[in-house]
Amino acid sequence: DTGVSQDPRHKITKRGQNVTFRCDPISEHNRLYWYRQTLGQGPEFLTYFQNEAQLEKSRLLSDRFSAERPKGSFSTLEIQRTEQGDSAMYLCASSSSGGAGWTGGNYGYTFGSGTRLTVV
Amino acid sequence: EDQVTQSPEALRLQEGESSSLNCSYTVSGLRGLFWYRQDPGKGPEFLFTLYSAGEEKEKERLKATLTKKESFLHITAPKPEDSATYLCAVREGTDKLIFGTGTRLQVFP
Repeated sequence: DTGVSQDPRHKITKRGQNVTFRCDPISEHNRLYWYRQTLGQGPEFLTYFQNEAQLEKSRLLSDRFSAERPKGSFSTLEIQRTEQGDSAMYLCASSSSGGAGWTGGNYGYTFGSGTRLTVV
Repeated sequence: EDQVTQSPEALRLQEGESSSLNCSYTVSGLRGLFWYRQDPGKGPEFLFTLYSAGEEKEKERLKATLTKKESFLHITAPKPEDSATYLCAVREGTDKLIFGTGTRLQVFP
């Protein structure tokens, strides 16, 4: 397994255009997460899936953002009508555990290398 | 509201000069405190998870400890390749991480 893959690595788009990013998690992981990171800040949670079900969305996620995970494998994050404030690194992560039973051990979320979005 | 505060924001060390990074947190019901390393232009790389006060974990020159209000990442005899941003996060509510803003570490030969 090559870890969490994100595509593209970089995207430059004009304000008002729509963009879509893809994330391929580690194959045996059932949970997939999207985060956004701006320069000098830590990642901010956007949303997460267990299999194909979207379980939680951040209040930060405006109506212009939508995420899907149709078959419980890869996921896409779409941003409609992009704005300059959307410029950031979009990170995907996956895990094989979650919920109340996840305690002990040295389990962590595995992150991809991210997609850097620049809106001009 | 759950919060994570990291200090210092930046740290410059000479190779071999040991030091500690701090992560203080306020969370209702800690379900894991995480340390990550992040290199420029890359995603965070998992280091440790700590669950209860008094717990410690080690990996090479790094050692993470946890109390009821804070965690420390101790770096012993650092090398230039340890230069990176170190992120602390707590697992909150359902299954999401709340991150601090990180400590940018530079180690000079």
